[in-house]
Amino acid sequence: EVQLVESGGGLVQPGGSLRLSCTASGFTFTSHWMHWVRQAPGKGLVWVAHINTEMTYTTYADSVKGRFTISRDNAKNMLYLQMDSLRAEDTAVYYCARDVPHQYFDLWGRGTLVTVSS
Amino acid sequence: EIVLTQSPATLSLSPGERASLSCRASQSINTYLAWYQHKPGQAPRLLIYDASNRATGIPARFSGSGSGTDFTLTISSLEPEDFAVYYCQQRSDWPPITFGQGTRLEIK
Repeated sequence: EVQLVESGGGLVQPGGSLRLSCTASGFTFTSHWMHWVRQAPGKGLVWVAHINTEMTYTTYADSVKGRFTISRDNAKNMLYLQMDSLRAEDTAVYYCARDVPHQYFDLWGRGTLVTVSS
Repeated sequence: EIVLTQSPATLSLSPGERASLSCRASQSINTYLAWYQHKPGQAPRLLIYDASNRATGIPARFSGSGSGTDFTLTISSLEPEDFAVYYCQQRSDWPPITFGQGTRLEIK
């Protein structure tokens, strides 16, 4: 089955760190750019970061630049988001999404919830 | 940053009716616009890309139109499963990739 499954969310204190994972299956992972998109409670979708297939090109939303790092392991079909210096405003459901060339998202996971609170 | 403004915020219609959702860009984005459907607890679903192309498996009752700054998603005859939140998204000038704030389509 073609799918993306996120994991790693949870409750973390402000200033803390968390690493999200996204497991890809059913398609050729190495052929696709990948993205993270988030949705704060009661709000809309917000793009977070992208990575190309060779891991040589990444981009970030200004709100997370310098704090979040996107990466991937093509041998394991895995996408990651390392989140450091977390803030309350980072509280959201985080989705991984597959890029269909280019910069549209044709496959999404169901998301993982990150709550930043003391 | 390109800002996308969707209207209305909420649209109340009955099954069988026609729905028209609007998305306006703060500057021209050619036809580099997509539409997504999102239901609570589910993964968002790509409906339309490049303003007017239906994604794989999307029913023909969904159609998209527009270019430049003004775009429309039309659902010709609403089915019960179509009630959801709809987002537009641009890829013309990125980063950042941006989404509209969403239109909630609810049952009247």
